[in-house]
Amino acid sequence: GESVGLHLPTLSVQEGDNSIINCAYSNSASDYFIWYKQESGKGPQFIIDIRSNMDKRQGQRVTVLLNKTVKHLSLQIAATQPGDSAVYFCAAATQGGSEKLVFGKGTKLTVNP
Amino acid sequence: DAGVIQSPRHEVTEMGQEVTLRCKPISGHNSLFWYRQTMMRGLELLIYFNNNVPIDDSGMPEDRFSAKMPNASFSTLKIQPSEPRDSAVYFCASNNRVSGANVLTFGAGSRLTVL
Repeated sequence: GESVGLHLPTLSVQEGDNSIINCAYSNSASDYFIWYKQESGKGPQFIIDIRSNMDKRQGQRVTVLLNKTVKHLSLQIAATQPGDSAVYFCAAATQGGSEKLVFGKGTKLTVNP
Repeated sequence: DAGVIQSPRHEVTEMGQEVTLRCKPISGHNSLFWYRQTMMRGLELLIYFNNNVPIDDSGMPEDRFSAKMPNASFSTLKIQPSEPRDSAVYFCASNNRVSGANVLTFGAGSRLTVL
């Protein structure tokens, strides 16, 4: 089955710097990927998603990069702000199969003022 | 829209007691998911429903866990009897299952502590 993992459980950055959170997946059939942000005491909140027919997608201050060759995706946050401090999860799914998203364990991002 | 609404937000109970967690999905969403989150195992899918019908319950840990969705606006997750290892945050999520869309909207979660 699918497994999704993040490279680093914690990441600390200075306010204003760019942040990069990495994620790897195991199932080459995965064709849909999504990033969530979870603040303390809250449920996961959607950030951005990407399908396997793309290798890059941009949102507001966030960019997701997908490398299907090495089964790796990353979330880049530009000009990181204290409000970006949270746990970030990546998840993968196979569209043609189940609707089940498989989540990674999460990376805790701390933004230092 | 008020989002996905879960209750209770916190529950502390003793081992052996029955626990019922409740969820109201976003109006118009036709799929509902129950997840469990722990430090050790992260976010795990327990069960999901499409149009009120359970589709996949392979993530339900054991027979002590059961979930129902009697109508499009309400679902319950029940644990009977509860055990300390059930302590976790339980999330409900919903989406409108159109072709190719998997974006789930999560509730705030129900934190369960079983003593």
